[in-house]
Amino acid sequence: EVQLVESGGGLVQPGRSLRLSCAASGFNFDDYDMHWVRQVPGRGLEWVSGISWNSDNMGYVDSVKGRFTISRDNTKNSLYLQMNSLRSEDTALYYCVKDGPVAGTGDYWGQGTLVTVSS
Amino acid sequence: ETVMTQSPATLSVSPGGRVTLSCRASQRVSNNLAWYQQKPGQAPRLLIYGASTRATGIPARFSGSGSGTDFTLTISSLQSEDFAVYYCQQYNHWLYTFGQGTKLEI
Repeated sequence: EVQLVESGGGLVQPGRSLRLSCAASGFNFDDYDMHWVRQVPGRGLEWVSGISWNSDNMGYVDSVKGRFTISRDNTKNSLYLQMNSLRSEDTALYYCVKDGPVAGTGDYWGQGTLVTVSS
Repeated sequence: ETVMTQSPATLSVSPGGRVTLSCRASQRVSNNLAWYQQKPGQAPRLLIYGASTRATGIPARFSGSGSGTDFTLTISSLQSEDFAVYYCQQYNHWLYTFGQGTKLEI
């Protein structure tokens, strides 16, 4: 059974940093691209960042470029998102998403970890 | 950035009915279009990819169509468990984008 378990969320002041982690199991982690997608409670979905299976390619939404860094450790079946210079508009539930049957789709999602940026 | 626009924002329908949701892309995305269903308190679930291919385990009452910039998701014979929010997503370009969602309510 595929499982994606996010951790690392919490309450943080503007300008501070946070590192999200996602522990993956139930599939060959190093065969798939992975993504972070966020959702403000009660609002829509926003793709934040993605990383290729071998870490050769990464992408970011414009609003986080230069502040967030995605990475992965295939030996630990883990995905990470380092978030620096956090802003109030980064407040959201962050989902870890496994690439689906076609690259760019998400067939398995974690339950999310909530990041709240507030003073 | 490819902007995805869904319509309508909310759709009121009756169980057993048929409904069509629309999604328009601001530029051509070929058939690189997916649909997701999200219920309250749950993560999204992949329904359709490649504009018209049902994901594993998705019932046949869900169907997708379209190519280029205009896409539709049709749900025939609505079941009570189908009332949820539906999102389209383009994955044609590395900056993936979602529509704002259509809420299906009874």
